[in-house]
Amino acid sequence: GDSVTQMEGPVTLSEEACLTINCTYTATGYPSLFWYVQYPGEGLQLLLKATKADDKGSNKGFEATYRKETTSFHLEKGSVQVSDSAVYFCALTPTGNQFYFGTGTSLTVIP
Amino acid sequence: EAEVAQSPRYKITEKSQAVAFWCDPISGHATLYWYRQILGQGPELLVQFQDESVVDDSQLPKDRFSAERLKGVDSTLKIQPAELGDSAMYLCASLDRGGSTEAFFGQGTRLTVV
Repeated sequence: GDSVTQMEGPVTLSEEACLTINCTYTATGYPSLFWYVQYPGEGLQLLLKATKADDKGSNKGFEATYRKETTSFHLEKGSVQVSDSAVYFCALTPTGNQFYFGTGTSLTVIP
Repeated sequence: EAEVAQSPRYKITEKSQAVAFWCDPISGHATLYWYRQILGQGPELLVQFQDESVVDDSQLPKDRFSAERLKGVDSTLKIQPAELGDSAMYLCASLDRGGSTEAFFGQGTRLTVV
């Protein structure tokens, strides 16, 4: 079935360090891929998305490229800030109607 | 900015009691989801509505959980009786009918069963 596997955390980085959170997926066809962010006590917010192979989603300095050959959608940021501390979820939808989420990766950025 | 509204934000209930959560999706969004998120895990779908009809409730524990969306707008999720293992964040999300793949989430209801 369709599923998402993402890097386990927690991840702790110093401010201005580089971030990579790995995400791989299993799906039939051509799913759309997403990264959602969840701040403490809050719901999920869409961070970025990509709907076809080789698309790059980007937002707030975060980027992820839809790699069909490696079935991956790794999240990257060149310089993290304290305000980026949150839990990040990789997700996919094969149909545009059902969504599958990874288990989440907790990021803590220390000054 | 339009948003998905959920209430209450927090709920503490004793086991064996009944509890209900409410969700008002973004106006015009036909698809509504209820997810359960256990601490440290990703959201897991409980039930999906298309307008007032249930599309998928295969993961809903129907012996104690029920959900309705009578007029195809707002929705209620009920648990009766609540069990200790039901402690989790309950998230509502909605998706419009225009072919967008972006699901919008509410802030969730944090349930603690004691």
